[in-house]
Amino acid sequence: KAGVTQTPRYLIKTRGQQVTLSCSPISGHRSVSWYQQTPGQGLQFLFEYFSETQRNKGNFPGRFSGRQFSNSRSEMNVSTLELGDSALYLCASSLGGLETQYFGPGTRLLVL
Amino acid sequence: AQSVTQLDSHVSVSEGTPVLLRCNYSSSYSPSLFWYVQHPNKGLQLLLKYTSAATLVKGINGFEAEFKKSETSFHLTKPSAHMSDAAEYFCVVTSNYGGSQGNLIFGKGTKLSVKP
Repeated sequence: KAGVTQTPRYLIKTRGQQVTLSCSPISGHRSVSWYQQTPGQGLQFLFEYFSETQRNKGNFPGRFSGRQFSNSRSEMNVSTLELGDSALYLCASSLGGLETQYFGPGTRLLVL
Repeated sequence: AQSVTQLDSHVSVSEGTPVLLRCNYSSSYSPSLFWYVQHPNKGLQLLLKYTSAATLVKGINGFEAEFKKSETSFHLTKPSAHMSDAAEYFCVVTSNYGGSQGNLIFGKGTKLSVKP
């Protein structure tokens, strides 16, 4: 079974731009969660989608948004990029409920 | 509220010696606990998980962890370190409250170095 895939793997943007990251979950998984990893703050939860609905949300500003499609693929959007948004963005998928999350390789975003 | 504290930011061992990575947790509800490993420039891989079954949990690559409720600890151990174990390890907690585990709380990570 194919794992979680994320595209693109690397991205360079400038301040003020917006960016969209994509995550394709493991086949059959209905839950997708997003995390931000930075050297200073570590790994922080952004949000979780299950069956196209946002089910949990972390403590991030409204510039960070997401959505999930009927095939469970998810996108994350960051508007008005700031230098501090430079990070590795990881998505994870699971069957939902109490099941284990499986992580993708991440998208490394650099904001200049 | 839930939180997790990894007591060491960096651990260095010699190849063939035991590994101990320490983790304490705090959770208002019945917790699920995980250890994930991240090799350089790679994603996170699940090593093992505890979900209120046996308190001694065996994972992949010879790792195991023991859930101790009285000490609120979930330390990761391996009897004999291998060079390929060098990576960053994350202790993770989530709550079974509401039946959702979409929100994982990560520790700050412990970087494991293995000397030849």
